[in-house]
Amino acid sequence: NAGVTQTPKFQVLKTGQSMTLQCAQDMNHEYMSWYRQDPGMGLRLIHYSVGAGITDQGEVPNGYNVSRSTTEDFPLRLLSAAPSQTSVYFCASHQVGKGLQLNTEAFFGQGTRLTVV
Amino acid sequence: RKEVEQDPGPFNVPEGATVAFNCTYSNSASQSFFWYRQDCRKEPKLLMSVYSSGNEDGRFTAQLNRASQYISLLIRDSKLSDSATYLCVVNAGSNDYKLSFGAGTTVTVRA
Repeated sequence: NAGVTQTPKFQVLKTGQSMTLQCAQDMNHEYMSWYRQDPGMGLRLIHYSVGAGITDQGEVPNGYNVSRSTTEDFPLRLLSAAPSQTSVYFCASHQVGKGLQLNTEAFFGQGTRLTVV
Repeated sequence: RKEVEQDPGPFNVPEGATVAFNCTYSNSASQSFFWYRQDCRKEPKLLMSVYSSGNEDGRFTAQLNRASQYISLLIRDSKLSDSATYLCVVNAGSNDYKLSFGAGTTVTVRA
């Protein structure tokens, strides 16, 4: 069971370049999300999706786009990379819970270390 | 105010010691509470969910205090392998699937 597969693991971009971070899960999870993690800060939500065809902005969406054409895939696009986007990015997925336990365990990809120069 | 706040530590403890730390959350409507573990900037992994009545998993005990809006984690008989950053995670509010993460508490267990 692959879980959440995230690529690439490392990437260096020049300012102004664009790229797509890939994320795929094979657990049929409805909820998928992208986070960035910076030193001294918790994971911050960039974009999320509650199902195919549905996406929404998180806490720090500027400079990023997402799409969810299938349940499995949730790519993150950097439109025009800036040094402020240097960070570690994590994709995550979880099943939507029911009842008192609203969220079930979230599974994370291995992360992408992105440097923008 | 941050949605989830943690003491960053580090907590440096000898093997076999007990270490405990808290996390506070701001949204009283939050319904789901977790502790995740993260090693050296690898991906976070679930350590344990936190239930209203408190729960224990081996050497780890988690407590939830809704009145004061904090969650605690206690590690007994610390092992070298417990060295990690522990992330407090709370859902964003009533019927909200979004998760809010604390910045993490670093624990270092020394021989």
